[in-house]
Amino acid sequence: EVQLVESGGGLVQPGRSLRLSCAASGFTFDDYAMHWVRQAPGKGLEWVSGISWNSGRIDYVDSVKGRFTVSRDSAKSSLYLQMNNLRAEDTALYYCAKPGERGTSGMYSQVVYWGQGTLVTVSS
Amino acid sequence: DIQMTQSPSTLSASVGDRVTITCRASQSIGSWLAWHQQKPGKAPKLLIYKASSLESEVPSRFSGSGSGTEFTLTISSLQPDDFATYYCQQYDGSYTFGQGTKLEIK
Repeated sequence: EVQLVESGGGLVQPGRSLRLSCAASGFTFDDYAMHWVRQAPGKGLEWVSGISWNSGRIDYVDSVKGRFTVSRDSAKSSLYLQMNNLRAEDTALYYCAKPGERGTSGMYSQVVYWGQGTLVTVSS
Repeated sequence: DIQMTQSPSTLSASVGDRVTITCRASQSIGSWLAWHQQKPGKAPKLLIYKASSLESEVPSRFSGSGSGTEFTLTISSLQPDDFATYYCQQYDGSYTFGQGTKLEIK
């Protein structure tokens, strides 16, 4: 059974940093790209960042470029999101998401599995 | 960047109704479109991928159609469990979600 378990969220002041983690299990982590998708309170879904199976391709939404860094650790089957210089508009539930297709061509395939999310609140 | 526009934003319907939600892409995305269902306090759930393929274990009352820039999600006979928010998602070389359609009980 595929499981994605996010952690690391919390209340943080504007301008500070936070690191999110996503522990993956139930599939061969190294075969799949992984993504972060966020949802502000009462709002819709917004893709944040994606990393290919081999970390050879990394993409970000424009609003987080230069502030967020995505990475992965195959030994720990984990995905990370380092968030620096946080802003109030980054307040959201952050989901870890797994696409359905393997390999390079699968980086932007349909999202099949979602974690339960970790809440980030940026406020003074 | 590809923009996705869903309509309507809110839809009121009754159990047994047939409902259709539309999603339009700002440029052609072929058939690279998925539909997700989200209930309050829960993660989204994949219903349809490649515009019209039903995800495993999703009831057959859900169906998807379309290609290029215009897509639809149809629920043939609404069940109480179907009242939720629905999002389209394009995945043609990037990810973009529609703004969502909240399906409410009339």
